[in-house]
Amino acid sequence: KAGVTQTPRYLIKTRGQQVTLSCSPISGHRSVSWYQQTPGQGLQFLFEYFSETQRNKGNFPGRFSGRQFSNSRSEMNVSTLELGDSALYLCASSSETGASYGYTFGSGTRLTVV
Amino acid sequence: AQSVTQLDSQVPVFEEAPVELRCNYSSSVSVYLFWYVQYPNQGLQLLLKYLSGSTLVKGINGFEAEFNKSQTSFHLRKPSVHISDTAEYFCAVRDSWGKLQFGAGTQVVVTP
Repeated sequence: KAGVTQTPRYLIKTRGQQVTLSCSPISGHRSVSWYQQTPGQGLQFLFEYFSETQRNKGNFPGRFSGRQFSNSRSEMNVSTLELGDSALYLCASSSETGASYGYTFGSGTRLTVV
Repeated sequence: AQSVTQLDSQVPVFEEAPVELRCNYSSSVSVYLFWYVQYPNQGLQLLLKYLSGSTLVKGINGFEAEFNKSQTSFHLRKPSVHISDTAEYFCAVRDSWGKLQFGAGTQVVVTP
């Protein structure tokens, strides 16, 4: 079956702009999580959505937000971009039942803020 | 709170030699443990996971890991590496809130 699809793969934005990233989970998965990966901080959890509701949130400022649609696709938005927001943003969809429990990651969106 | 420590930031290894990547975790609840691999400019690919049952877990590409509850470890091993195993490897634990806590990663560099 199709994997987790993240679009776009690469993005260049200017400081102060906003950006929206998209994630389509594996069919049947209702949970979508977002992570930020940087060389300095490693992999950090942003938030998780389950059935259109935010279930968990990491320690990021309010400029980072997300949502999930009824088809489980998720978007994350970063407003008023800062240089430090340059990172690889990874989305993971998860199955929470039985032996198939696990998290499948997309290829990520590489965001560069200039 | 759960946390993960990967004890080596970089592991150089010769082709066809064995490799072990060390991971220690702290958790006060039942643990779900994972190893992921990341190739350059890629996302994370699941190598293997421990949910319950047998403490020796076999994964893809010849990797295996052993869950040791008394030592709170989940070390990853491969008996013979290939050049294509050059990548960064991440150990992760699912915390009580359902999110993954990752270690800092171990860069494996395989040379001929």
